[in-house]
Order: sequence, then C-alpha cells, then structure tokens
Amino acid sequence: GAGVSQSPRYKVAKRGQDVALRCDPISGHVSLFWYQQALGQGPEFLTYFQNEAQLDKSGLPSDRFFAERPEGSVSTLKIQRTQQEDSAVYLCASSRRPPVATDTQYFGPGTRLTVL
Amino acid sequence: AQSVTQPDIHITVSEGASLELRCNYSYGATPYLFWYVQSPGQGLQLLLKYFSGDTLVQGIKGFEAEFKRSQSSFNLRKPSVHWSDAAEYFCAVGGNNAGNMLTFGGGTRLMVKP
Repeated sequence: GAGVSQSPRYKVAKRGQDVALRCDPISGHVSLFWYQQALGQGPEFLTYFQNEAQLDKSGLPSDRFFAERPEGSVSTLKIQRTQQEDSAVYLCASSRRPPVATDTQYFGPGTRLTVL
Repeated sequence: AQSVTQPDIHITVSEGASLELRCNYSYGATPYLFWYVQSPGQGLQLLLKYFSGDTLVQGIKGFEAEFKRSQSSFNLRKPSVHWSDAAEYFCAVGGNNAGNMLTFGGGTRLMVKP
C-alpha cells in the first residue's frame, strides 16, 4: 500500500511569505506527527495529532507555526511570515494506533523548505 | 528530559568490513529505542526497535543492535557492510509518555569505500 506522502517536495519562499506543507498519512492511521530537521541535525518533534485532535504542540518554535488535521486524515503545517531560520526539512510521520511508545512511526520523504 | 547522543558524526568503512554505530541515551525510565536510516531524498526507514526482553535485537538489512542498560547504550552493528548501506543513521528514544514523540540523536553519516 501507499506510504506517507508529502507535498511539495521542495519549496522556496521569500522571507515574510506564508507557506503551507501537506501530509497524506497512511490510510487509516490514527496518529500523525510533524518533525523539523535542520541541515546536519536529527529531526525534532513539532506536534502530533490523534485523529483530528492536536494533543501536543509543545515543539512548535513560535506562534508563526500552525498545524491542522480537520478531518483526521490529511494534515497541513502552515508557517506564517517565514524567516531564514525556518529553512529545514519538514517530516511527517503516521502510526496506526493512538500514540503509544511501541507503535512504529512511518515517515514521509519530507518537504525541503528554503527561505531566501 | 530524554536525550540521545551519537558521538560519531561521520564514519567511513570499507565494503565487507564490520560496522558499529554508537548511541547513548538519557531517559528516566525504561526507554524504547529505535534505529532509523535515511538515504538521500528518502524518508526515515525503521531498521529495528527495542522495547523489552532480549537485549539483542535483529532488524532488517542484516542489522542488529544491543541494549546495554548499564552503559545507557544501544549500538547498531552489521557484520559485513555493503555499498548500499551508505546513508545517515539516526538513533531515537521514545517513552511511555503521552504522544510517543521520538527524540533523535544528531545522526551518523556512513560512507562505504569500495
């Protein structure tokens, strides 16, 4: 079956522009996670959803970052007034069940955001 | 707070040689430990995971890892490296906390010499 897909794969934005990054999780997966991976570093947690409920957004770096999953499937990560420090790969992951430590997270290929 | 350290940023091995990638974690309770591999332009792929039981865990692509509580380590090993193993490897820790977000190490980039 299809894995996690993300679009666009690459995004170039001018500083101050708003961007929207999309994640299509594996069909039927309850949990959805967003991570940010800066160049040369490991991914860092941003936020996660159980169905449509955003249960933790403690990793969002500022109030310019906003995520939603209105129907419990596709999710969008929106960044307003982008800054150069927002340049990173944004990874989406999904897992089958409500978040439990033993459930495997399946990752998408990521969206590489470059802010000029 | 949980954390993961991967001391080696880059490692180069010859094809056919053995490999060990180091991972040290900090976590207050019993950790859930993972190794992921990331090839260029690809998402993270799970190699193996440890939750409990036998401390030697077998994974895909011939990889294994050993959990050593006394050393807070979860090193990844492979007896004979193939050129296709060249990639970035990430160790991660998750816990029995709400959300199961993963905390990743900084990664080790593996290069394989012919």
